[in-house]
Amino acid sequence: GQQVMQIPQYQHVQEGEDFTTYCNSSTTLSNIQWYKQRPGGHPVFLIQLVKSGEVKKQKRLTFQFGEAKKNSSLHITATQTTDVGTYFCAGQRPGGYQKVTFGTGTKLQVIP
Amino acid sequence: DTAVSQTPKYLVTQMGNDKSIKCEQNLGHDTMYWYKQDSKKFLKIMFSYNNKELIINETVPNRFSPKSPDKAHLNLHINSLELGDSAVYFCASSSLRGEQFFGPGTRLTVL
Repeated sequence: GQQVMQIPQYQHVQEGEDFTTYCNSSTTLSNIQWYKQRPGGHPVFLIQLVKSGEVKKQKRLTFQFGEAKKNSSLHITATQTTDVGTYFCAGQRPGGYQKVTFGTGTKLQVIP
Repeated sequence: DTAVSQTPKYLVTQMGNDKSIKCEQNLGHDTMYWYKQDSKKFLKIMFSYNNKELIINETVPNRFSPKSPDKAHLNLHINSLELGDSAVYFCASSSLRGEQFFGPGTRLTVL
């Protein structure tokens, strides 16, 4: 079955440092989504990437979809304590009936 | 106005009991899901319904039975609860574009 792995599993950064999480799928995807889950909360949709090589920005967050549509990354510039949480990518396969496979997640801790 | 709501928020029960979790969405979405999040935070899809029809049924024990009385509701009934069922269960619904809206979760603890 489809597997979606994320690295690193955990990341501790000093406030103000940059952070990147990488997402790799075992199969080609039709699109990739990113979600953020705050401690004790539920996953919240951040963005969806559809095109090969697509790059999207949301303030300090930059999302990228690989050329082969099998990998993606999320980069946060100058982290803040409000960035704390677990970041999940979620891949959707072509032709699938909206089934989305979530990645293993990267837990970000920001040290003030 | 909560978009996706679940009840109860917490559920503590003994092994062997039967319990239900309810989910409702007011977003007008056709597709709804149940996910299980274990202690390691892995999010695993269990079921998905589209307009009251079951479309995704992952490898989940038969003790778990979803029911969708209408497209705004998706309930989850669990029979003969086991220790390994302890987890947070999330309901979600999705738009046609695929982005998912999650409920607040139900933390199930089986003693």
